[in-house]
Amino acid sequence: LAKTTQPISMDSYEGQEVNITCSHNNIATNDYITWYQQFPNQGPRFIIQGYKTKVTNEVASLFIPADRKSSTLSLPRVSLSDTAVYYCLVGDENTDKLIFGTGTRLQVFP
Amino acid sequence: DVKVTQSSRYLVKRTGEKVFLECVQDMDHENMFWYRQDPGLGLRLIYFSYDVKMKEKGDIPEGYSVSREKKERFSLILESASTNQTSMYLCASVPSGRAQETQYFGPGTRLLVL
Repeated sequence: LAKTTQPISMDSYEGQEVNITCSHNNIATNDYITWYQQFPNQGPRFIIQGYKTKVTNEVASLFIPADRKSSTLSLPRVSLSDTAVYYCLVGDENTDKLIFGTGTRLQVFP
Repeated sequence: DVKVTQSSRYLVKRTGEKVFLECVQDMDHENMFWYRQDPGLGLRLIYFSYDVKMKEKGDIPEGYSVSREKKERFSLILESASTNQTSMYLCASVPSGRAQETQYFGPGTRLLVL
């Protein structure tokens, strides 16, 4: 089974850039990498998705190296409202199942 | 907007009770999922369904069963609730179930088994 690992927690201050990395050593060849954000007492919601290289939207950027065994979610100039848990989601090459990462709890301080 | 609803936000049950958690989506999605979420363990897949009356075990199916009689509804059943099933349960739906398709989550049901 693919191991999809993330740092358990990160702290930051408002206005800083935050980078959260997810390691996925057995990602399915044709699957995308998707990141979700979850606030307390809510279900996760989509942030960004990519297949390779770099993707940017109005919320975040996603960096994916050529081997696709990891990905980095980049949040520019975080604010207090970015305090949440962030999950990556990938497909597993062997089981054809979707695997969520362990989640990273981001705490933004004023 | 896709809407995924779950029957309860909070539920308190006793050990041994049969528990039904219901999930409904309104976008005609083929695939539906049940996860549980526990501190330090993230989201773990219990069961998923890719069509009516079809189901597949996820990573932690023990102690659970599911039912999908209609496309829009996916039920999670705890036949005999135990205290280690105290958790947050999240339902999600996806058009076809690949990582490139956004999963739409319900608000979650926080279940406490006493």
